[in-house]
Amino acid sequence: DTEVTQTPKHLVMGMTNKKSLKCEQHMGHRAMYWYKQKAKKPPELMFVYSYEKLSINESVPSRFSPECPNSSLLNLHLHALQPEDSALYLCASSLNLQEGLDEQYFGPGTRLTVT
Amino acid sequence: SQQGEEDPQALSIQEGENATMNCSYKTSINNLQWYRQNSGRGLVHLILIRSNEREKHSGRLRVTLDTSKKSSSLLITASRAADTASYFCATGTNDYKLSFGAGTTVTVRA
Repeated sequence: DTEVTQTPKHLVMGMTNKKSLKCEQHMGHRAMYWYKQKAKKPPELMFVYSYEKLSINESVPSRFSPECPNSSLLNLHLHALQPEDSALYLCASSLNLQEGLDEQYFGPGTRLTVT
Repeated sequence: SQQGEEDPQALSIQEGENATMNCSYKTSINNLQWYRQNSGRGLVHLILIRSNEREKHSGRLRVTLDTSKKSSSLLITASRAADTASYFCATGTNDYKLSFGAGTTVTVRA
């Protein structure tokens, strides 16, 4: 199984809502990533987990809260978002977190709209 | 942070033609990767070339790397409609992060 799955595919939420994005992989990968991608722009790294521990936080606002319950799952909890947070949120995984990084496997993304 | 610059920003070619896009970067790298993204979907890894390699092939893809010029190119031969997508280069460095270029949008006309 070389697939990374993400749910939901689409999400519309108000600025006062709390929601969660979910990501799952069964490739035995120990590094997992959250990216944010705006239209016609490259993905921007948000968080990196290695062996279920947060390794990198790219100064992401606290209204985004990541969680890695186990080696196969990665969540992104959302609270009090702003309209400018509307974007495609991509999850990815790789075998390990190492210098230079090996190939990353991406999920299809969650299209988030904040109203 | 974005390290790579891609050129051209957009490319339109006829089916069967070759497509070439270039990527330049600023700092030393461990490897350089190319990814494809179909409209609004996730990225698909195409090829990884390490800093001590100069050329790599995978099917209809050919990647070159010139570390002295800090540049790479991706060649897609005999393009097909299914190759219509955005292509991103990404550099792997010592800070455990993958830095993506701005991307090249390729349109293959039937």
